[in-house]
Amino acid sequence: GDSVTQMEGPVTLSEEAFLTINCTYTATGYPSLFWYVQYPGEGLQLLLKATKADDKGSNKGFEATYRKETTSFHLEKGSVQVSDSAVYFCALSDSGGQNFVFGPGTRLSVLP
Amino acid sequence: DSGVTQTPKHLITATGQRVTLRCSPRSGDLSVYWYQQSLDQGLQFLIQYYNGEERAKGNILERFSAQQFPDLHSELNLSSLELGDSALYFCASSVVPAGRSDTQYFGPGTRLTVL
Repeated sequence: GDSVTQMEGPVTLSEEAFLTINCTYTATGYPSLFWYVQYPGEGLQLLLKATKADDKGSNKGFEATYRKETTSFHLEKGSVQVSDSAVYFCALSDSGGQNFVFGPGTRLSVLP
Repeated sequence: DSGVTQTPKHLITATGQRVTLRCSPRSGDLSVYWYQQSLDQGLQFLIQYYNGEERAKGNILERFSAQQFPDLHSELNLSSLELGDSALYFCASSVVPAGRSDTQYFGPGTRLTVL
C-alpha cells in the first residue's frame, strides 16, 4: 500500500541554519503531496502542497519540490528561526483522494 | 485558529467504557476526517465522511464508529476501550470530498486517556 518515509529526528539546528527534512513516498498513480506542521499543543496546519510532478510548494520561506523520478518531496528552508520549532509531517493523498498517509513526523528544535 | 472545533479537549475513562468525541467542521466544509495520533503508531487516518455519507475508511477498528449529522458535525464513538486506545484524536475538514489537492484543516484534538 501507499507509504511515506521521513527522517524521524529529532533535528536540532542553530538559528539561521539551513534546514532539510527528507521525505520519500511509495504510491500508485499520481498522489498529491503535503507538508503539515504541528506546534506544541496544537493540531496540524498545512504548510505547503504540490499536486503534480515538478510542482514546487512554498510558504513562509519553506519549499518542497515534487520529484516523481526519485519519489521524493524534501522540505527545505534557507534560514530557520526559533519559531520554526515544531513537528513536521510529510503526507500524501492518493490519486483517488480516498487514502491519506502521514509520515512519522520530524521534530525540529531551533536554538537561539 | 483553523475554524474546526472539537470537544471535549481531554477525556479520562476506564477500560471497557464507551466515549463519544465531537467535531464541528469549518463553516462551509462538507467533508470531515478522523485521525488517531499515538506515540507508537504515529498519525493514522481512521475514516472520512462527506455530506453525511461515509466516503473512505482507513485503519479504523470495529470497536470504533463514526457518523456525520445533517448539520455536518461529526461524532466518533469508541467502545470497549482498551489501554492502547489512549491517544490524541484529531478531526479535520475540507470543502470538497477529498479532492486530490484539497487542504484539510485540523482541529485542536481530543486527548483520550484510558486507565
